[in-house]
Amino acid sequence: DTGVSQDPRHKITKRGQNVTFRCDPISEHNRLYWYRQTLGQGPEFLTYFQNEAQLEKSRLLSDRFSAERPKGSFSTLEIQRTEQGDSAMYLCASSQEGSPLHFGNGTRLTVT
Amino acid sequence: DQQVKQNSPSLSVQEGRISILNCDYTNSMFDYFLWYKKYPAEGPTFLISISSIKDKNEDGRFTVFLNKSAKHLSLHIVPSQPGDSAVYFCAATGINTNAGKSTFGDGTTLTVKP
Repeated sequence: DTGVSQDPRHKITKRGQNVTFRCDPISEHNRLYWYRQTLGQGPEFLTYFQNEAQLEKSRLLSDRFSAERPKGSFSTLEIQRTEQGDSAMYLCASSQEGSPLHFGNGTRLTVT
Repeated sequence: DQQVKQNSPSLSVQEGRISILNCDYTNSMFDYFLWYKKYPAEGPTFLISISSIKDKNEDGRFTVFLNKSAKHLSLHIVPSQPGDSAVYFCAATGINTNAGKSTFGDGTTLTVKP
């Protein structure tokens, strides 16, 4: 069990640019989640996949956000036309059905 | 409307004493509750959970109590150790969702002083 891996750890971008984050879950986990956390708050659910199917998206996930999980393995989260309000920690987590989450260490996004 | 609330942003206790972290929820559909611990620069890690069919669950030094009528749960750490210093998040989920899609509180920062 090598844990959930996220890349990059930090990303600084200018407003209006596109960014993409990658998450590699624990290999035997069939569910993958994306959460967002801002300073002083708890993680907020964005979306989740069961295998390659995206089963649910939060209303927080505007149309500038898109997530994929091709072949049910790693996942990417893309943010288009970034805004300063997108600055946050983006957390990926994986789990087996019914079990608690195993989180990665997150990608910290700063939009200048 | 915040459905999971941790009203104490911080808590400081002496090593060896008991730490009690509190959490309140408003959504009656929540029936499974989890606590996660987070160290700086790391993601949260699962600590302990409780189903609404129980009122207590214990795992070593950690015990979670659930009071459904009051919509309140608490995490007890006995004895507290300096390594327990971290941010603790309470999370809740409902019978029709899954343990992964949880609603989190804003966390309580626990400091255990040697």
